[in-house]
Amino acid sequence: SYELTQPPSVSVSPGQTASITCSGDKLGDTYVCWYQQKPGQSPVLVIYQDRKRPSGIPERFSGSNSGNTATLTISGTQAMDEADYYCQAWDSGTAVVFGGGTKLTVL
Amino acid sequence: QITLKESGPTLVKPTQTLTLTCTFSGFSLSTSGVGVGWIRQPPGKALEWLALIYWDDTKRYSPSLKGSLTITKDTSKSQVVLTMTNMDPVDTATYYCVHISYSSGSKSYFDYWGQGTLVTVSS
Repeated sequence: SYELTQPPSVSVSPGQTASITCSGDKLGDTYVCWYQQKPGQSPVLVIYQDRKRPSGIPERFSGSNSGNTATLTISGTQAMDEADYYCQAWDSGTAVVFGGGTKLTVL
Repeated sequence: QITLKESGPTLVKPTQTLTLTCTFSGFSLSTSGVGVGWIRQPPGKALEWLALIYWDDTKRYSPSLKGSLTITKDTSKSQVVLTMTNMDPVDTATYYCVHISYSSGSKSYFDYWGQGTLVTVSS
């Protein structure tokens, strides 16, 4: 079965750029979504179709996907961005796969 | 405004069957390009996709759980029901219902999530 690999944790200083990666075999051949989940809350879609932002998501969130790696980039990271982030892709367009999640710490 | 809400038992015994209902508003599951899915999250762990159903009644299941899951829709009631047989303590998790904006295959995404319901499996 298809697997997506994320680093367990990423740390960033306020105002700096955070990059969270998601790796999978030929991941660039499909589309990737990213979800943000804060403690005790439901996940929120922050990026879909590799680089599109839903309405209401700040411009500091951006995405890219090429080769075997997709990346979520948060520019000018704020304390409110501290959360768990999950990447998600489709396996053969029929099955959904999530990464293991990355805990973003803003310190 | 799209909303989804999960309902069902909070406690089930091992080997029992779990039935969860997702009641939604703000969209119709008879509209082309729409789907509803189920995703779960064990305490402190990652998200895991379970199943989904599209407006045209196409159904997809997690390969690892396919034999134990059934998803159905009742368009007139704006509900989607997930049943999961032979529950085990490892199935203890928060179960989320999600709205799917469907495009071609891998372009689809989960843009609205329910609040989730915690199901504990214990004797």
